[in-house]
Amino acid sequence: LAKTTQPISMDSYEGQEVNITCSHNNIATNDYITWYQQFPSQGPRFIIQGYKTKVTNEVASLFIPADRKSSTLSLPRVSLSDTAVYYCLVVGTGTASKLTFGTGTRLQVTL
Amino acid sequence: DAGVTQSPTHLIKTRGQQVTLRCSPKSGHDTVSWYQQALGQGPQFIFQYYEEEERQRGNFPDRFSGHQFPNYSSELNVNALLLGDSALYLCASSLEGQTAYTEAFFGQGTRLTVV
Repeated sequence: LAKTTQPISMDSYEGQEVNITCSHNNIATNDYITWYQQFPSQGPRFIIQGYKTKVTNEVASLFIPADRKSSTLSLPRVSLSDTAVYYCLVVGTGTASKLTFGTGTRLQVTL
Repeated sequence: DAGVTQSPTHLIKTRGQQVTLRCSPKSGHDTVSWYQQALGQGPQFIFQYYEEEERQRGNFPDRFSGHQFPNYSSELNVNALLLGDSALYLCASSLEGQTAYTEAFFGQGTRLTVV
């Protein structure tokens, strides 16, 4: 499985756009890039998934360059409730249920 | 749709005891995975059940065992508890048998404290 590297922590003010970059140099052809969000004492929650280029949903956008060796999760106009740990994962087709989490990025949003 | 439900939410056990945690998957899901999350760490994969059999296993000792029932619900058993087993235990369900990746849904977890 491809190893991911992401910043340990980030700080932001409410209303700003937050971009969290993840490095996954050894990503395989059939791997998907997936992001989860976790609040304290809760299970992780799926945010977004992509294979290449750009994916957008009601929560976030995911930017993936052509070489797919990195990806950027973009959270528009964050609020205090976006304070959480964000995990970047690389998941291969057929191994969907086995997720390899790193330590994630702890995002702190303040007023 | 109730999503993934886990019980109990909190549990305190003594070293050497045994514990059983339970998980009901999201409706329509057939695969259950268990994760252990220590404080400040990301979840670590314990094992996965599909069609009532353990299909994948992470780097956990045999003290950790599980079961999946015909209704897809699952149990995680831990024998001879150690202080280091104190953690948040998460259950995730998903749907296999598809060519494309399907997201995993996590429960709220069971907080196990070993004293």
